[in-house]
Amino acid sequence: DTEVTQTPKHLVMGMTNKKSLKCEQHMGHRAMYWYKQKAKKPPELMFVYSYEKLSINESVPSRFSPECPNSSLLNLHLHALQPEDSALYLCASSQRPHERDIQYFGAGTRLSVL
Amino acid sequence: AQTVTQSQPEMSVQEAETVTLSCTYDTSESDYYLFWYKQPPSRQMILVIRQEAYKQQNATENRFSVNFQKAAKSFSLKISDSQLGDAAMYFCAYRDNNDMRFGAGTRLTVKP
Repeated sequence: DTEVTQTPKHLVMGMTNKKSLKCEQHMGHRAMYWYKQKAKKPPELMFVYSYEKLSINESVPSRFSPECPNSSLLNLHLHALQPEDSALYLCASSQRPHERDIQYFGAGTRLSVL
Repeated sequence: AQTVTQSQPEMSVQEAETVTLSCTYDTSESDYYLFWYKQPPSRQMILVIRQEAYKQQNATENRFSVNFQKAAKSFSLKISDSQLGDAAMYFCAYRDNNDMRFGAGTRLTVKP
């Protein structure tokens, strides 16, 4: 099983809403990642969790709040987003946080902020 | 910060022909890894091929191979015997122990 599952697939939210994105993997991977991908652009790294601890935060605004409750699950909590935050949010995992490890990507959550 | 440049926004290839996608990068690190990822329309991104910077031998995976020129900081992807299923956005990616960056991508069209 090389699957990374992201829910929901689509999300529409207002600027005052609070919502969460969920990512799950059952491959025993100990590194998990959040990326933001705008249309026709490459993915941009947001956060890296290494052994359930936040190891990299790429200066992401505080309206994005990641959480890693256990080694299989990664959440991204959203609050007071702006329309420019509309994008495809990708989750990925790798066996370890080592740079040689292959990242496996989910299909993403397409977020629209109204 | 490291940069990854893909100078070809779009490429087109005839089915069964060969195509080469270009990628250059800039880094002062000596230990790093390079990847090509494929993102088909509305489908998830998958790894095509990986190259360790310390290895001189070019990586190959079936119809996919790379031409890794470390001194020139060049990492091109060759797709042989192109198939319709190869149509996708291809991203070149760089990773070291502090950074992960993708190029802007090359959209590959395969003509039947």
